[in-house]
Amino acid sequence: GQQVMQIPQYQHVQEGEDFTTYCNSSTTLSNIQWYKQRPGGHPVFLIQLVKSGEVKKQKRLTFQFGEAKKNSSLHITATQTTDVGTYFCADSSSNTGKLIFGQGTTLQVKP
Amino acid sequence: DAEITQSPRHKITETGRQVTLACHQTWNHNNMFWYRQDLGHGLRLIHYSYGVQDTNKGEVSDGYSVSRSNTEDLPLTLESAASSQTSVYFCASSPSMNTEAFFGQGTRLTVV
Repeated sequence: GQQVMQIPQYQHVQEGEDFTTYCNSSTTLSNIQWYKQRPGGHPVFLIQLVKSGEVKKQKRLTFQFGEAKKNSSLHITATQTTDVGTYFCADSSSNTGKLIFGQGTTLQVKP
Repeated sequence: DAEITQSPRHKITETGRQVTLACHQTWNHNNMFWYRQDLGHGLRLIHYSYGVQDTNKGEVSDGYSVSRSNTEDLPLTLESAASSQTSVYFCASSPSMNTEAFFGQGTRLTVV
């Protein structure tokens, strides 16, 4: 069935350093969504990518969808302590409507 | 404001008991989902529904059931609670396929 692998599981960075999390699938993804969950909170939608090779930016966050639609990445430039949390990618299947999440990458930022 | 609410927020129950977690959304969304979150596993899909009277099994549906008698509610029932079902449970809704999902605040369930 659908499976989305996300790496790394954990990342500790110094404030100001960059951060990237990767999402990979053995099958072609319909769409990819990204969510952020703050410690003790609930997942909050960040963005959806639909097209092959798509790149979208939100301030210091850059989201990419691979050309083959089998991988995606989230890159944060110059991390801040407010970026702390767990970032999830999710495969949003256009056929079933199911939302299947990766395991998440937990980001810690040292001030 | 429209919202999605889960209750209770915290629950301790004994092994073997039946437990129902409530999820209520006021957006009139068609799609509703139940996930469990455990360390190292991310969010795993338990059940989902596309509309009234529609329910579907997710990746980890054994021991759980849902019903959708109206648009607003998707209660999750643990038929006979087991310690392996100790987890944080999230309910989510979305208006249609391939759209943003909105999550509730979560229910922390402990089975002792």
